[in-house]
Amino acid sequence: EVHLVQSGAEVKKPGESLKISCKASGYSFTRYWIGWVRQMPAKGLEWMGIMWPVDSDVRYSPSFRGHVTISADNSVSTAYLQWSSLKASDTAMYYCVRREVAGTVDYWGQGTLVTVSS
Amino acid sequence: DIVMTQSPDSLAVSLGERATINCKSSQSVLDSSDNKNYLSWYQQKAGQAPKLLIYWASTRESGVPDRFSGSGSGTDFTLTISSLQAEDVAVYYCHQYYTTPPWTFGQGTKVEIK
Repeated sequence: EVHLVQSGAEVKKPGESLKISCKASGYSFTRYWIGWVRQMPAKGLEWMGIMWPVDSDVRYSPSFRGHVTISADNSVSTAYLQWSSLKASDTAMYYCVRREVAGTVDYWGQGTLVTVSS
Repeated sequence: DIVMTQSPDSLAVSLGERATINCKSSQSVLDSSDNKNYLSWYQQKAGQAPKLLIYWASTRESGVPDRFSGSGSGTDFTLTISSLQAEDVAVYYCHQYYTTPPWTFGQGTKVEIK
């Protein structure tokens, strides 16, 4: 059975760095795209970016390029989302997702709540 | 970017009645090479992650009740819940995966019980 298990909730201050994780199991990690979706409080879903783990090809949404970094460690089937300098506006729930090679997103992680507050 | 616009933003339907959600894309998501519409629907219940309901515009994901159906082609799509149940209260999102990633979601439609 496919599982995407994300790291726990985080509370950070503006300007701090953060790296959250998403551990995949139940499938071959390098045969699917893996990405991140943001959901701000009481708002809709926004694509942040997606990665092909085989060659680390990352496609960022223009709104997030330069502000976050998506990476993966294939040896532990884990994807990461990181910030070097958080802002209060980064407060949101972040979901990791799996996408079939030529299809849609079929599995979602449980979400990681990030709260940025001074 | 392809913009996905859902209507209505919210609707209240009586138990057992039909609920219809529309989704319009700013450009076609039909790929003529494989005749597939790159459009999916997700259900998000309060406090939960979204769940895939429909892909290729009309293919129901395994385990999804058959009261959920998707239709449409090109730029206009519909998600129908044929007989609303209490457990269907949720926000529903359409999603296009036609363009190069990343893709886009509709703004969501909240379904409640009347």
